[in-house]
Amino acid sequence: DGGITQSPKYLFRKEGQNVTLSCEQNLNHDAMYWYRQDPGQGLRLIYYSQIVNDFQKGDIAEGYSVSREKKESFPLTVTSAQKNPTAFYLCASSTSPDTQYFGPGTRLTVL
Amino acid sequence: AQSVSQHNHHVILSEAASLELGCNYSYGGTVNLFWYVQYPGQHLQLLLKYFSGDPLVKGIKGFEAEFIKSKFSFNLRKPSVQWSDTAEYFCALYSGAGSYQLTFGKGTKLSVIP
Repeated sequence: DGGITQSPKYLFRKEGQNVTLSCEQNLNHDAMYWYRQDPGQGLRLIYYSQIVNDFQKGDIAEGYSVSREKKESFPLTVTSAQKNPTAFYLCASSTSPDTQYFGPGTRLTVL
Repeated sequence: AQSVSQHNHHVILSEAASLELGCNYSYGGTVNLFWYVQYPGQHLQLLLKYFSGDPLVKGIKGFEAEFIKSKFSFNLRKPSVQWSDTAEYFCALYSGAGSYQLTFGKGTKLSVIP
């Protein structure tokens, strides 16, 4: 069964802690993306990776970090430097601009 | 820089009413345009897309959109909505910068009343 999985579905974090969100795909897509979704703000791009061992900052990369050691995995770390981390985080992948496939998302809440 | 504007934040319709959601973009070159839908509790999924050719594109579930280049618009339409169309709809643009980046609008929440 092909697709994108994100874990966990819900995540709670104390202020000052780093937290890592998982994103895995078995679609054999080269490109992967992380978006942040806030009510009334749409989707904003955090980071993207077009190929293994390479990634670029998106529009709102401050306070986040990523790695792309394997084609199928693109984890996102929300660091303590991110001032307003509570949000819904979406991972996507694509093989062309034709279609980005989205995961189910992780809702992060900072307590 | 490119941008996408969706004019309506929240639209409320009765079943069987016609739907038109506005989307305008800002970019001077060739664009590919998309509408995505997010049903409550479900993944964001592609509704329809325009790359080239016929400016009237048809998508899933009876939705269609028309690309009007002179107006920089890509409005989404459906002649008769159903309660199951209740969702959030996002317009997105790809400008061909080589990075497969999509620029999304802020979304329009559609509520259909039975």
